[in-house]
Amino acid sequence: ETGVTQSPTHLIKTRGQQVTLRCSSQSGHNTVSWYQQALGQGPQFIFQYYREEENGRGNFPPRFSGLQFPNYSSELNVNALELDDSALYLCASSSGLAENNEQFFGPGTRLTVL
Amino acid sequence: AQSVAQPEDQVNVAEGNPLTVKCTYSVSGNPYLFWYVQYPNRGLQFLLKYITGDNLVKGSYGFEAEFNKSQTSFHLKKPSALVSDSALYFCAVRDDTGGFKTIFGAGTRLFVKA
Repeated sequence: ETGVTQSPTHLIKTRGQQVTLRCSSQSGHNTVSWYQQALGQGPQFIFQYYREEENGRGNFPPRFSGLQFPNYSSELNVNALELDDSALYLCASSSGLAENNEQFFGPGTRLTVL
Repeated sequence: AQSVAQPEDQVNVAEGNPLTVKCTYSVSGNPYLFWYVQYPNRGLQFLLKYITGDNLVKGSYGFEAEFNKSQTSFHLKKPSALVSDSALYFCAVRDDTGGFKTIFGAGTRLFVKA
């Protein structure tokens, strides 16, 4: 069984640029959620994808967007990067939409915006 | 609105002593509660969850958690701490009102001294 993987591990961008982060879900999982974890804080929910459709969104602006592909892998895109976007971005997969399902997290992508 | 509070930024305990990491929550419906652990430069790992039933939940690595509905708490416990338990612990909540969002606490750093 393959776990959740994310790429790249680290990324440095400048303000105003655009970035794409990638996530491969755990085998058999069709739901992917993305989180932003700022330094010293808990993960903040960005959005969730289920079977290629956005299923829910947290309090993030539209410049945060995503995709889920037929193989259930996913991308997070952030446009017009701001300094406050610097954070660890975590992808988590789970099986189905049940609220009591635990999530399996990837190692994260550390984004630094200069 | 859902919320999670972890009142202690840091917990210090000697190896072999019992440990408790505190968590309180607020949800609209019935809660689904989770504990995750994060090691440096790693994603979050699932420890245990409460769905319904027995108020004492047992999880990975000898951890357990006690659900208390009247106090809206879900404290993480371990009878005998190990140095290797030193990490960042997150409490998280969802509810059964059809929500998709997982709300995480700010985290508690556990230091276990040899």
